[in-house]
Amino acid sequence: EPEVTQTPSHQVTQMGQEVILRCVPISNHLYFYWYRQILGQKVEFLVSFYNNEISEKSEIFDDQFSVERPDGSNFTLKIRSTKLEDSAMYFCASSGDGGGYQPQHFGDGTRLSIL
Amino acid sequence: AQSVTQLDSHVSVSEGTPVLLRCNYSSSYSPSLFWYVQHPNKGLQLLLKYTSAATLVKGINGFEAEFKKSETSFHLTKPSAHMSDAAEYFCVVSGTGTASKLTFGTGTRLQVTL
Repeated sequence: EPEVTQTPSHQVTQMGQEVILRCVPISNHLYFYWYRQILGQKVEFLVSFYNNEISEKSEIFDDQFSVERPDGSNFTLKIRSTKLEDSAMYFCASSGDGGGYQPQHFGDGTRLSIL
Repeated sequence: AQSVTQLDSHVSVSEGTPVLLRCNYSSSYSPSLFWYVQHPNKGLQLLLKYTSAATLVKGINGFEAEFKKSETSFHLTKPSAHMSDAAEYFCVVSGTGTASKLTFGTGTRLQVTL
């Protein structure tokens, strides 16, 4: 079964540094998402992306965050100047366009640790 | 705005006994509801979905859930728990539209004992 893949599985970064989290969505999917889960808290929506544009973003997704689909397969989340509170598990998801509601399929996540 | 409330943060059952994980939702429109499971150090796997078709939804691994509009509930059940069912379970509601964001509950950790 096709799956969403995320790299790296664990990223350790110094506070203030830039970090890029990478995702390869399912190949025929058109909608892409990022979510995060701070340790001990619920999974939170960050951003959705379609047709090379942000469709929706949450309050969390401020100017230090950006997303990009640099080629036909990758979908990236960049955090420009990381803060301690950015430490979390980041999940990428994708969904198709088969008519009606299509469920989102998630990757295994990237654990981001800010020191 | 939509939200879900998972009524138990932790549920413990013996192997072979029934599982009930409770979820109530709040939505101003007819919701799409899901249950996702997260095994340790793994991603979020879709168990089942409700999108306004049959109110009793069957998912993978023997799980099912019933949508009850009158009770605004979407409880997850399984007749007989297996050790491999031990994981974190999330009740999730979606907004309207094809690519709407998901709103997660706080999760229920299911423990299965021998």
